[in-house]
Amino acid sequence: RKEVEQDPGPFNVPEGATVAFNCTYSNSASQSFFWYRQDCRKEPKLLMSVYSSGNEDGRFTAQLNRASQYISLLIRDSKLSDSATYLCVVINFNKFYFGSGTKLNVKP
Amino acid sequence: SAVISQKPSRDICQRGTSLTIQCQVDSQVTMMFWYRQQPGQSLTLIATANQGSEATYESGFVIDKFPISRPNLTFSTLTVSNLSPEDSSIYLCSVSGEGNQPQHFGDGTRLSIL
Repeated sequence: RKEVEQDPGPFNVPEGATVAFNCTYSNSASQSFFWYRQDCRKEPKLLMSVYSSGNEDGRFTAQLNRASQYISLLIRDSKLSDSATYLCVVINFNKFYFGSGTKLNVKP
Repeated sequence: SAVISQKPSRDICQRGTSLTIQCQVDSQVTMMFWYRQQPGQSLTLIATANQGSEATYESGFVIDKFPISRPNLTFSTLTVSNLSPEDSSIYLCSVSGEGNQPQHFGDGTRLSIL
C-alpha cells in the first residue's frame, strides 16, 4: 500500500464551482501535512499547511481527519487560475511522502 | 521562505555526456533533496543531500549515476552521468528546515537528451 494516495482526476469543474479533493495516508503516526500546487511544467509550490483544527486561506480550506487518516482540500468559487495539479504531502519522522497529485481543470 | 536558485534552467545534452545541476539557497537549510519528475508523472525522490557526507539514495538510484555534493548548508550539486534518452526529465532541488517543516522547491532543470 502506498504511503499517500490521491485520486488523479482530472476534476473538470465550471468557474464558480466548489470542488474538494481528499488524500489518504497509511501511517497513523504521520506528523505533518501539506497541500502543494503544481502548474504545468513548473515546480510544486506550497499552498497551505493542514492543521488538526483545520485551516482556511481565502477560498481554500484544508482539513485533517486523523481517525479516518485523510486530509482534504476544499476550493470555493473556483477560478480559471486554479487549474493545476494539487499534491498532498505527509511527513513521517522527517521523511516526506508526496501524493501523485489530483488534476483540476476549471472551465469557463 | 528561502530563495532557491537552480541552474541551469534547461539543457540539451548528447548521449554519454554528463550534466551537473547546481542548487544555491540564500540561507542555511537543514535538509536538501533532489527529485526527478518525468512528464505527466509524480515526483520521485533521488536522494537526500547530506552536508559533509555521502548522500542518502533512494531505491533505484545509485551514486555512480547520480553523484551528489553538499559542501555546506547552502549549496548542493547533482550530476546526471552517462546520459541516455531515459534521463530526459525535470530535475528539482528542494530544501526544508528542522521539525517537519515543508519543502520549498527550486525552479527545476529541464533536461533533454539527443
